[in-house]
Amino acid sequence: AQSVSQHNHHVILSEAASLELGCNYSYGGTVNLFWYVQYPGQHLQLLLKYFSGDPLVKGIKGFEAEFIKSKFSFNLRKPSVQWSDTAEYFCAVNARGWNNAGNMLTFGGGTRLMVKP
Amino acid sequence: DVKVTQSSRYLVKRTGEKVFLECVQDMDHENMFWYRQDPGLGLRLIYFSYDVKMKEKGDIPEGYSVSREKKERFSLILESASTNQTSMYLCASSLGTALGNTIYFGEGSWLTVV
Repeated sequence: AQSVSQHNHHVILSEAASLELGCNYSYGGTVNLFWYVQYPGQHLQLLLKYFSGDPLVKGIKGFEAEFIKSKFSFNLRKPSVQWSDTAEYFCAVNARGWNNAGNMLTFGGGTRLMVKP
Repeated sequence: DVKVTQSSRYLVKRTGEKVFLECVQDMDHENMFWYRQDPGLGLRLIYFSYDVKMKEKGDIPEGYSVSREKKERFSLILESASTNQTSMYLCASSLGTALGNTIYFGEGSWLTVV
């Protein structure tokens, strides 16, 4: 079965610091990759997704992620975080051929980011 | 905007009670999902449905059942609630069976079993 690992469970940064959240997955085939964000008290929202093509994907709110196939990684980055980026971030994988009905995602354990003003 | 609505945001139930969590989506999506979210474990799939009256087990179906009588509604049932089912439950939906379609989530239902 595929799995997704997010190595940082809690990250604390000051405003304007750069952010990189790690995500590694275990699946040898073609994958679709996602980052979701959950702001306090709100529902999960899609930040960005990778299907194919340019491995550097840009999402909303200045976030980007780079798919490195050789490292099975899809790390999330932002050059300069803001207090409003305080949230929990989830990496997720949907592998081609793994299921034939619906879009099941396998999620990582999440990373709680706190940005100090 | 896609809207996935979970009818109960906060519930407190006693051990052994039967619990219903209701979810409705308004975008005619074929696929609907129930996840539970626990600290450090991320989201884990309980059940999903790709059509009316169709259901498939996810990764952790034990202790749960589901019902999808209408396309827009997907219910999660805890036949006899236990304290280890205290969690945040998230409903989600997506359009079609093409891999990679965006999944939209509801706001979640916090269930405490005492």
